[in-house]
Amino acid sequence: NAGVMQNPRHLVRRRGQEARLRCSPVKGHSHVYWYRQLPEEGLKFMVYLQKENIIDESGMPKERFSAEFPKEGPSILRIQQVVRGDSAAYFCASSPQRDRGAREQYFGPGTRLTVT
Amino acid sequence: TQLLEQSPQFLSIQEGENLTVYCNSSSVFSSLQWYRQEPGEGPVLLVTVVTGGEVKKLKRLTFQFGDARKDSSLHITAAQTGDTGLYLCAGASGNTGKLIFGQGTTLQVKP
Repeated sequence: NAGVMQNPRHLVRRRGQEARLRCSPVKGHSHVYWYRQLPEEGLKFMVYLQKENIIDESGMPKERFSAEFPKEGPSILRIQQVVRGDSAAYFCASSPQRDRGAREQYFGPGTRLTVT
Repeated sequence: TQLLEQSPQFLSIQEGENLTVYCNSSSVFSSLQWYRQEPGEGPVLLVTVVTGGEVKKLKRLTFQFGDARKDSSLHITAAQTGDTGLYLCAGASGNTGKLIFGQGTTLQVKP
């Protein structure tokens, strides 16, 4: 997966707890995308970030979800007060965006969140 | 809302056969990417097509981007059991490049 790292790979949380998902992009990539894959559904865009900026969060639920990509360190997707419907695989992808036309994205292995 | 319709959703063929997977939309995309995803893993990028009418080959896989950049196809020649997996097409949308994914095609190649 071209060097994108995500952790943890599996995360179990009880209803009402917080979930923190981390993503380290490919070295040198400054653009990060988060996607969610619900059981039996396709991948859906959530949020697009550049270093220290949220560019597009149109796919992210308005409540309980937040994302950041600080100047130093990994990108974080945070889900507060998790509910069973948040159970899904969350994927991070990074892009060099050298070529605006190609827009290639390289995906991490994902974090499987299970809410009990 | 931009949508990508991918077909067929499931395909079961014998080793050695040829197959084609289609991705169609009413929207124009700046680029289109094909991925393969194994169970429990993230999608792995196979190819990106950018120019209308573009054809790219990757060994036995041939990818084509429609002239109007609204559709794409993946053709596999002489399928092998190792080709078994989930194939996803994804169109890059708008200025941000966020990907709109098709529903995926689950391919099973039987020996």
